Amino acid sequence: EVQLVESGGGLVQPGGSLRLSCAASGFYFDDYHMDWVRQAPGKGLEWVGRIRNKAYSHTTEYAASVRGRFTISRDASKNSLYLQVNSLMSEDTAVYYCARGGHNWYIHYWGQGTLVTVSS
Amino acid sequence: QSALTQPASVSGSPGQSIAISCTGTSSDVGSNNLVSWYQQHPGNAPKLMIYEGTKRPSGVSDRFSGSKSGNTASLTISGLQADDEADYFCCSYAGRNTLVFGGGTKLIVL
Repeated sequence: EVQLVESGGGLVQPGGSLRLSCAASGFYFDDYHMDWVRQAPGKGLEWVGRIRNKAYSHTTEYAASVRGRFTISRDASKNSLYLQVNSLMSEDTAVYYCARGGHNWYIHYWGQGTLVTVSS
Repeated sequence: QSALTQPASVSGSPGQSIAISCTGTSSDVGSNNLVSWYQQHPGNAPKLMIYEGTKRPSGVSDRFSGSKSGNTASLTISGLQADDEADYFCCSYAGRNTLVFGGGTKLIVL
Protein backbone atom coordinates (compact mmCIF):
# COMPACT_ATOMS: atom_id res chain seq x y z
CA GLU A 1 0.00 0.00 0.00
CA VAL A 2 1.33 3.42 -0.98
CA GLN A 3 1.75 5.68 2.02
CA LEU A 4 2.93 9.28 2.10
CA VAL A 5 3.28 11.02 5.46
CA GLU A 6 4.17 14.70 5.63
CA SER A 7 5.71 16.51 8.57
CA GLY A 8 7.40 19.79 9.39
CA GLY A 9 4.52 22.22 9.09
CA GLY A 10 3.77 24.86 11.68
CA LEU A 11 3.55 28.55 12.42
CA VAL A 12 6.29 30.72 10.93
CA GLN A 13 6.76 34.47 10.70
CA PRO A 14 6.76 36.30 7.37
CA GLY A 15 10.18 36.07 5.80
CA GLY A 16 10.93 32.86 7.64
CA SER A 17 11.80 29.38 6.41
CA LEU A 18 10.67 25.80 6.93
CA ARG A 19 11.65 22.39 5.66
CA LEU A 20 8.78 20.03 4.99
CA SER A 21 9.40 16.30 4.83
CA CYS A 22 7.48 13.40 3.36
CA ALA A 23 8.14 9.78 4.27
CA ALA A 24 7.20 7.40 1.49
CA SER A 25 6.52 3.68 1.73
CA GLY A 26 4.83 0.88 -0.16
CA PHE A 27 6.61 1.45 -3.46
CA TYR A 28 10.09 1.74 -4.91
CA PHE A 29 10.68 5.43 -4.21
CA ASP A 30 13.32 6.18 -6.83
CA ASP A 31 11.15 4.87 -9.67
CA TYR A 32 8.61 7.65 -9.33
CA HIS A 33 8.31 11.38 -9.91
CA MET A 34 7.20 13.20 -6.76
CA ASP A 35 5.16 16.39 -6.45
CA TRP A 36 4.20 19.00 -3.90
CA VAL A 37 0.74 20.55 -4.12
CA ARG A 38 -0.70 23.12 -1.73
CA GLN A 39 -4.17 24.24 -0.76
CA ALA A 40 -4.86 27.53 1.01
CA PRO A 41 -7.65 27.35 3.61
CA GLY A 42 -11.00 27.04 1.87
CA LYS A 43 -9.38 27.40 -1.55
CA GLY A 44 -8.42 25.25 -4.49
CA LEU A 45 -5.34 23.20 -5.27
CA GLU A 46 -2.12 24.75 -6.52
CA TRP A 47 0.72 22.71 -7.97
CA VAL A 48 4.02 23.70 -6.36
CA GLY A 49 6.56 21.59 -8.18
CA ARG A 50 7.96 18.21 -9.15
CA ILE A 51 11.17 16.27 -8.77
CA ARG A 52 11.60 13.53 -11.32
CA ASN A 53 12.69 9.97 -10.67
CA LYS A 54 16.22 8.57 -10.82
CA ALA A 55 15.89 7.74 -14.52
CA TYR A 56 15.36 11.44 -15.20
CA SER A 57 18.24 12.45 -12.95
CA HIS A 58 16.04 13.98 -10.24
CA THR A 59 15.49 17.14 -12.26
CA THR A 60 13.08 19.65 -10.78
CA GLU A 61 10.29 21.91 -12.03
CA TYR A 62 8.46 24.67 -10.17
CA ALA A 63 5.39 26.82 -10.43
CA ALA A 64 6.20 30.42 -11.26
CA SER A 65 4.73 31.58 -7.94
CA VAL A 66 7.37 29.73 -5.91
CA ARG A 67 10.37 29.51 -8.24
CA GLY A 68 13.45 30.86 -6.54
CA ARG A 69 11.97 30.58 -3.04
CA PHE A 70 11.10 26.88 -2.82
CA THR A 71 13.43 23.93 -3.39
CA ILE A 72 12.40 20.30 -3.80
CA SER A 73 14.83 17.50 -3.03
CA ARG A 74 14.73 13.78 -2.30
CA ASP A 75 16.80 11.17 -0.51
CA ALA A 76 16.37 7.65 -1.82
CA SER A 77 18.30 6.17 1.10
CA LYS A 78 15.59 7.49 3.41
CA ASN A 79 12.63 7.15 1.03
CA SER A 80 11.98 10.79 1.70
CA LEU A 81 10.91 13.89 -0.18
CA TYR A 82 11.60 17.41 1.01
CA LEU A 83 10.37 20.93 0.36
CA GLN A 84 12.52 23.81 1.55
CA VAL A 85 10.40 26.95 1.73
CA ASN A 86 12.11 30.31 2.15
CA SER A 87 11.07 33.96 2.26
CA LEU A 88 7.59 32.92 3.33
CA MET A 89 4.67 35.25 2.79
CA SER A 90 1.14 35.18 4.14
CA GLU A 91 -0.01 33.92 0.73
CA ASP A 92 2.01 30.75 1.34
CA THR A 93 -0.32 29.73 4.19
CA ALA A 94 -1.72 26.40 3.08
CA VAL A 95 -1.86 22.67 3.59
CA TYR A 96 1.08 21.22 1.70
CA TYR A 97 0.52 17.80 0.15
CA CYS A 98 3.23 15.38 -0.81
CA ALA A 99 2.17 13.32 -3.80
CA ARG A 100 3.43 10.57 -6.06
CA GLY A 101 3.32 11.54 -9.69
CA GLY A 102 2.05 9.35 -12.43
CA HIS A 103 4.26 8.26 -15.33
CA ASN A 104 2.95 11.30 -17.12
CA TRP A 105 1.71 14.69 -16.00
CA TYR A 106 -0.81 13.72 -13.35
CA ILE A 107 -0.74 13.00 -9.63
CA HIS A 108 -1.61 9.53 -8.47
CA TYR A 109 -1.31 9.23 -4.69
CA TRP A 110 -1.57 11.95 -2.06
CA GLY A 111 -0.49 12.28 1.53
CA GLN A 112 -2.75 13.79 4.18
CA GLY A 113 -0.90 17.10 4.15
CA THR A 114 0.87 19.34 6.64
CA LEU A 115 -0.33 22.85 7.48
CA VAL A 116 1.98 25.82 7.12
CA THR A 117 0.74 29.07 8.64
CA VAL A 118 2.63 32.27 7.90
CA SER A 119 1.72 34.95 10.40
CA SER A 120 3.31 37.40 12.78
CA GLN B 1 -0.42 30.61 -15.57
CA SER B 2 -4.13 31.20 -14.86
CA ALA B 3 -6.23 28.58 -13.16
CA LEU B 4 -8.60 26.54 -15.29
CA THR B 5 -12.24 27.61 -15.07
CA GLN B 6 -14.77 25.37 -13.36
CA PRO B 7 -18.32 26.12 -12.20
CA ALA B 8 -18.48 26.85 -8.49
CA SER B 9 -21.16 24.24 -7.91
CA VAL B 10 -23.19 21.58 -9.68
CA SER B 11 -26.11 19.63 -8.26
CA GLY B 12 -28.07 16.53 -9.09
CA SER B 13 -30.39 13.97 -7.57
CA PRO B 14 -29.43 10.38 -6.79
CA GLY B 15 -29.43 8.26 -9.92
CA GLN B 16 -29.02 11.20 -12.28
CA SER B 17 -25.99 12.07 -14.38
CA ILE B 18 -24.08 15.34 -14.08
CA ALA B 19 -21.16 16.88 -15.90
CA ILE B 20 -18.52 19.23 -14.57
CA SER B 21 -16.75 21.41 -17.11
CA CYS B 22 -13.17 22.61 -17.03
CA THR B 23 -12.23 25.35 -19.48
CA GLY B 24 -8.69 26.26 -20.30
CA THR B 25 -6.85 27.54 -23.34
CA SER B 26 -5.05 26.25 -26.39
CA SER B 27 -1.88 26.29 -24.27
CA ASP B 28 -3.14 23.80 -21.71
CA VAL B 29 -6.37 21.80 -21.99
CA GLY B 30 -6.60 22.29 -25.73
CA SER B 31 -3.02 21.30 -26.47
CA ASN B 32 -2.82 17.81 -25.02
CA ASN B 33 -4.59 14.77 -23.55
CA LEU B 34 -3.13 15.36 -20.11
CA VAL B 35 -6.21 16.40 -18.15
CA SER B 36 -6.78 14.73 -14.80
CA TRP B 37 -9.61 14.94 -12.28
CA TYR B 38 -9.54 14.71 -8.50
CA GLN B 39 -12.23 14.15 -5.89
CA GLN B 40 -11.83 15.68 -2.43
CA HIS B 41 -14.15 15.05 0.47
CA PRO B 42 -14.05 17.62 3.30
CA GLY B 43 -11.00 17.21 5.49
CA ASN B 44 -9.46 14.58 3.23
CA ALA B 45 -6.71 14.50 0.67
CA PRO B 46 -7.63 14.56 -3.01
CA LYS B 47 -8.10 11.28 -4.88
CA LEU B 48 -7.29 10.69 -8.54
CA MET B 49 -10.42 9.83 -10.52
CA ILE B 50 -9.41 10.33 -14.17
CA TYR B 51 -6.02 10.74 -15.83
CA GLU B 52 -4.83 11.38 -19.37
CA GLY B 53 -8.27 12.69 -20.21
CA THR B 54 -10.26 9.48 -20.17
CA LYS B 55 -8.46 6.80 -18.16
CA ARG B 56 -9.64 5.51 -14.78
CA PRO B 57 -7.21 4.29 -12.14
CA SER B 58 -7.80 0.86 -10.71
CA GLY B 59 -10.58 0.94 -8.14
CA VAL B 60 -12.41 3.99 -9.50
CA SER B 61 -16.01 3.29 -10.46
CA ASP B 62 -16.89 3.25 -14.17
CA ARG B 63 -19.63 5.74 -13.28
CA PHE B 64 -16.88 8.34 -13.65
CA SER B 65 -15.77 9.27 -17.15
CA GLY B 66 -13.75 12.02 -18.80
CA SER B 67 -13.93 13.71 -22.15
CA LYS B 68 -12.69 16.80 -23.98
CA SER B 69 -13.80 19.10 -26.74
CA GLY B 70 -11.49 21.88 -27.81
CA ASN B 71 -10.32 23.82 -24.78
CA THR B 72 -12.94 22.33 -22.45
CA ALA B 73 -12.65 19.06 -20.58
CA SER B 74 -15.54 17.44 -18.75
CA LEU B 75 -16.03 14.94 -15.95
CA THR B 76 -19.30 13.04 -16.10
CA ILE B 77 -20.68 11.13 -13.16
CA SER B 78 -23.56 8.79 -13.91
CA GLY B 79 -25.88 7.10 -11.42
CA LEU B 80 -25.20 9.82 -8.86
CA GLN B 81 -24.77 8.55 -5.28
CA ALA B 82 -24.75 10.38 -1.96
CA ASP B 83 -21.06 9.65 -1.46
CA ASP B 84 -20.24 11.45 -4.70
CA GLU B 85 -20.89 14.73 -2.90
CA ALA B 86 -17.46 16.33 -2.75
CA ASP B 87 -15.25 18.94 -4.38
CA TYR B 88 -13.87 18.09 -7.81
CA PHE B 89 -10.76 19.62 -9.33
CA CYS B 90 -9.51 19.37 -12.87
CA CYS B 91 -5.85 19.65 -13.73
CA SER B 92 -3.95 19.99 -16.99
CA TYR B 93 -0.41 20.00 -18.23
CA ALA B 94 0.19 23.65 -19.04
CA GLY B 95 3.41 23.51 -21.01
CA ARG B 96 6.92 24.41 -19.85
CA ASN B 97 6.84 21.43 -17.49
CA THR B 98 4.11 22.79 -15.25
CA LEU B 99 0.66 21.75 -14.09
CA VAL B 100 -2.35 23.97 -13.56
CA PHE B 101 -5.48 23.19 -11.55
CA GLY B 102 -9.02 24.41 -11.88
CA GLY B 103 -10.66 26.38 -9.08
CA GLY B 104 -12.80 23.43 -8.05
CA THR B 105 -16.49 22.51 -8.23
CA LYS B 106 -18.65 21.56 -5.29
CA LEU B 107 -20.97 18.71 -6.26
CA ILE B 108 -24.20 18.70 -4.28
CA VAL B 109 -26.32 15.56 -4.24
CA LEU B 110 -29.86 16.65 -3.55
